[in-house]
Amino acid sequence: EDQVTQSPEALRLQEGESSSLNCSYTVSGLRGLFWYRQDPGKGPEFLFTLYSAGEEKEKERLKATLTKKESFLHITAPKPEDSATYLCAVQPYSSASKIIFGSGTRLSIRP
Amino acid sequence: DVKVTQSSRYLVKRTGEKVFLECVQDMDHENMFWYRQDPGLGLRLIYFSYDVKMKEKGDIPEGYSVSREKKERFSLILESASTNQTSMYLCASSPTPYSGGGTDTQYFGPGTRLTVL
Repeated sequence: EDQVTQSPEALRLQEGESSSLNCSYTVSGLRGLFWYRQDPGKGPEFLFTLYSAGEEKEKERLKATLTKKESFLHITAPKPEDSATYLCAVQPYSSASKIIFGSGTRLSIRP
Repeated sequence: DVKVTQSSRYLVKRTGEKVFLECVQDMDHENMFWYRQDPGLGLRLIYFSYDVKMKEKGDIPEGYSVSREKKERFSLILESASTNQTSMYLCASSPTPYSGGGTDTQYFGPGTRLTVL
């Protein structure tokens, strides 16, 4: 069964303290892996799509990486405005446009 | 930029009422989706549509129906609202991937917080 597991569920960091969020996945064949940011009471905002193992993408303080079994979202020197829930999702080749979401990591950055 | 809009940010309805949630996208995407999001349960797919007048059941279609009469618009209908349908409803759209590869990244609207009393 295709599934996505994110860890930790919640992460509290001090401003400037770098860390990583993990997304482990099991799929029959990966078409793509997605990262989204979601602020409370709002819809998810698209961040990155990764297609194959070894690929990396960056945006400001965020960098996403992909292996054959997991993806990491690295956050470097975070600021309080980076506080949000980060969602990982995968699209299997068999899915016909559907994607499978993880339950998210709630990131909180203290000033 | 892709723009997905939803008709209401907040909605309060009574048990038994018929509820319409509207979603419009401006990027000529083929695919549109309706999800609900609840604490501890994550995002769950209710229905999706590949094209005008086409629809497919997602993981939790019971108690819902959908309508797609125009490519840019996808409506979610609660025929008789119940308290267990109180939730955040999210609409998304995506293009069809190019043949031979590519993904259909989904872009989300702002969400509708529905409360059924």
